[in-house]
Amino acid sequence: QSVLTQPPSVSAAPGQRVTISCSGSNSNIGKTYVSWYQQLPGAAPKLVVHDDNGRPSGIPDRISGSKSGTTATLDITGLQPGDEAEYYCVTWDLSLGSFVFGSGTKVTVL
Amino acid sequence: QVKLQESGPGLLRPSETLSLTCTVSGVSTDYYGTWVRQPPGKGLEWIGYIYSSGTIKYNPSLKSRVTISMGTSKNQFSLKLKSVTAADTAVYYCARLGGSPLNWFDPWGQGTLVTVSS
Repeated sequence: QSVLTQPPSVSAAPGQRVTISCSGSNSNIGKTYVSWYQQLPGAAPKLVVHDDNGRPSGIPDRISGSKSGTTATLDITGLQPGDEAEYYCVTWDLSLGSFVFGSGTKVTVL
Repeated sequence: QVKLQESGPGLLRPSETLSLTCTVSGVSTDYYGTWVRQPPGKGLEWIGYIYSSGTIKYNPSLKSRVTISMGTSKNQFSLKLKSVTAADTAVYYCARLGGSPLNWFDPWGQGTLVTVSS
């Protein structure tokens, strides 16, 4: 069982919005930065958000990250078929002394 | 542009030692390199990281079996995982680790599938 909890799946129609939560604790999300990754089928993960809400070069502004307390959130607006992928959060856990990944969320574009 | 590429054997027998190398290009300064694995159909698991100047950190759950080392030219870093079992079958990725404090993995190598089977 993962230290970080994500919903197994979310879905929405093209053009709509999806929100993916990543719930942790004060030994991880509450005290450290969170990053998010998009993994298309058969491909390596790709960084889409760093430092809770930073956007790497080339990532569209319809993808955004935020954090409140011990929960981080990834928002994707204007959903497109190409957004259909698995999304993972990751952060450092101060108690474990280890990076921990969320269990992953499958985004489906209806 | 930073690029990473994993290489190593794709098939191992139980009890053998997994040995992979990550070749890094486009980096001109000290950097953090890290290993992550993903069993087929499952999620991502962090294995450990190394700083090109020597700092090393391992996932406590794998620490007793893992060794990560830096090559002499510092454009390669390696992973060794001893006494493998079928549970170690996974795609193994290397990536650069960044941020202050460290928090992001970018870019990633394409990954290499390692299968443990008798």
